[in-house]
Amino acid sequence: ILNVEQSPQSLHVQEGDSTNFTCSFPSSNFYALHWYRWETAKSPEALFVMTLNGDEKKKGRISATLNTKEGYSYLYIKGSQPEDSATYLCAFTSSGGGADGLTFGKGTHLIIQP
Amino acid sequence: KAGVTQTPRYLIKTRGQQVTLSCSPISGHRSVSWYQQTPGQGLQFLFEYFSETQRNKGNFPGRFSGRQFSNSRSEMNVSTLELGDSALYLCASSLVDREGNEQFFGPGTRLTVL
Repeated sequence: ILNVEQSPQSLHVQEGDSTNFTCSFPSSNFYALHWYRWETAKSPEALFVMTLNGDEKKKGRISATLNTKEGYSYLYIKGSQPEDSATYLCAFTSSGGGADGLTFGKGTHLIIQP
Repeated sequence: KAGVTQTPRYLIKTRGQQVTLSCSPISGHRSVSWYQQTPGQGLQFLFEYFSETQRNKGNFPGRFSGRQFSNSRSEMNVSTLELGDSALYLCASSLVDREGNEQFFGPGTRLTVL
């Protein structure tokens, strides 16, 4: 069973501050790393799908980096806004597919305080 | 383009009953995956269907089954319901396969087993 860890579990950030959090995953048999944002009462929304070591992706004020050799990805939010409040999930895919093909972490619950 | 739809949105059943949940993917998407989320747990992968075939299966008992129709719509069935089956069930669709492509999630079906 593959283990995907996210830290911290929850985070309170002042509006306007920047923040980041971590996703750790197995460094062997890497295929892809996904980031999702899940707002309360909505469906999870895809942010990024990353496949290459050293990948860096950006969408507005949100960006992510990927290190497949050491098994971690960071998600950064610049100048946090109240609408950034959500749970951020990462999901790891191994090249083996199968039952462990897409494994989610438990998420980082982000609360932006005005 | 219409998003992923799931029916019903809420369901209350009693132990021992069976339940069928439905998922309609985004038009053109051929892969449908199902996930279970229980309190304190991350999204747990149930199974994935592609072109009417189950392509991957998570670590769930045989009481959990599914199928996909020729129009890519998918159903998930849980027989002999247990209290622990109370959860949010999400389906997600993607163009080809779930591992390297972003998934689009539906709103979920909240199942309560009494």
